[in-house]
Order: sequence, then C-alpha cells, then structure tokens
Amino acid sequence: EAEVAQSPRYKITEKSQAVAFWCDPISGHATLYWYRQILGQGPELLVQFQDESVVDDSQLPKDRFSAERLKGVDSTLKIQPAELGDSAMYLCASSLNPVGVRAFFGQGTRLTVV
Amino acid sequence: TQLLEQSPQFLSIQEGENLTVYCNSSSVFSSLQWYRQEPGEGPVLLVTVVTGGEVKKLKRLTFQFGDARKDSSLHITAAQPGDTGLYLCAGVTYSGAGSYQLTFGKGTKLSVIP
Repeated sequence: EAEVAQSPRYKITEKSQAVAFWCDPISGHATLYWYRQILGQGPELLVQFQDESVVDDSQLPKDRFSAERLKGVDSTLKIQPAELGDSAMYLCASSLNPVGVRAFFGQGTRLTVV
Repeated sequence: TQLLEQSPQFLSIQEGENLTVYCNSSSVFSSLQWYRQEPGEGPVLLVTVVTGGEVKKLKRLTFQFGDARKDSSLHITAAQPGDTGLYLCAGVTYSGAGSYQLTFGKGTKLSVIP
C-alpha cells in the first residue's frame, strides 16, 4: 500500500537554529496537511494545501514557520529560528479529494529543540 | 474555530471490560472520523460516519454519529491489550477549493491491562 513519506524521522536542534522537514504524499493526492502534535494530545493543523495553493494557514506561526509545495507534490515545512516550545511531532498527511475524505498520515518527524 | 472535546482523556481498564469514549462539539460536521494512533506512529483511520444517527461496527468497535452531527461515540466490547493506543476523533468540514479540513480532538489514551 502506498505511504506518505516523511524525513527525517528524528531531529534534534539547538534553539535559534533553522530546521526543515520534508513530506512526499501519496501519488495523486491533491490535499496535503501539516500537523503539529504535542506528546499525548491530538494533532493541530498548521497548514493545508490543495495542489500548490495554501487553503488554510491560519494556525501557522508565520513569524518563524513557513511551508511550501511548489509543484503540488512534495512539501517542506521550515522553522527559523527554532524555539524550545517547538519540540513536538510534526505529522504530514495527504488525502484524495473531494470524494471519500480519508487522510493518510506519515510516521512523523519527532523534533527536539535543546 | 471548531473545537472537539473528547472524554475521558485517560482510561485504564482490565482485559475483557467494555468502554465508551465520547467526542462532543458545538459545531456541525460534514462527517466525523475516528483514528487510532500508536506511539511513534501517525494516526490510522478506523471509520468515517457521515449521516446523523449512523452506527458503524468494526469487529468489537461500535461507532455512532449523533443525530445533529455534532457528537460521536466509540464503544469497545471486551477490550483486548491490542486495543491500547490513543483514540482520536476528527471533524470534517469543507474548507473551499475542493479541499476538506480535519479538526482533531485531544484524544483518549486507552490502556488495556492483561
């Protein structure tokens, strides 16, 4: 079965440094989501793309976070500068819309900011 | 902002017991989904309920969507240690441009003790 690929799986970075995460969705999935999940809590949406366009980035801290999906396929989420409070799991998901909404999640990137 | 409240937040039960997890909101959703997440992995979709009052069964799991499409419940019969995990409900709403948004609750962490 096709999977959403994310890398790296784990990342440790010092505060004030830049960090980037990569996501390759399932082929043909037009919608791509980036979520942040604090340990033991539910995922919170950071940004949602439909093809290469941003549909919702209202919860993205734009002073330090940026996301792009230039060709409407893979996506990159960047944090600069990283802060201690950014430590979390960053999950990417993709969905084939509009019929039968089903989000497939990657394994996530576990970020630790020290 | 649509909020989903899940209860209980934590649940620890003995193998063979029954349990119910609740997901409540003041918002109406197009559909509601339940996911299960294991440590270090992304959430995996269990079921989608679409019609108010709908009941779906998945082996020992029974999912119900409220008549007003604002709430849902997950009932597990004769819980097994393999049911241990974080159970997440997610409300689905149309976010425009042919794309759907998933808003997650904070989750219920279930531990089934052998």
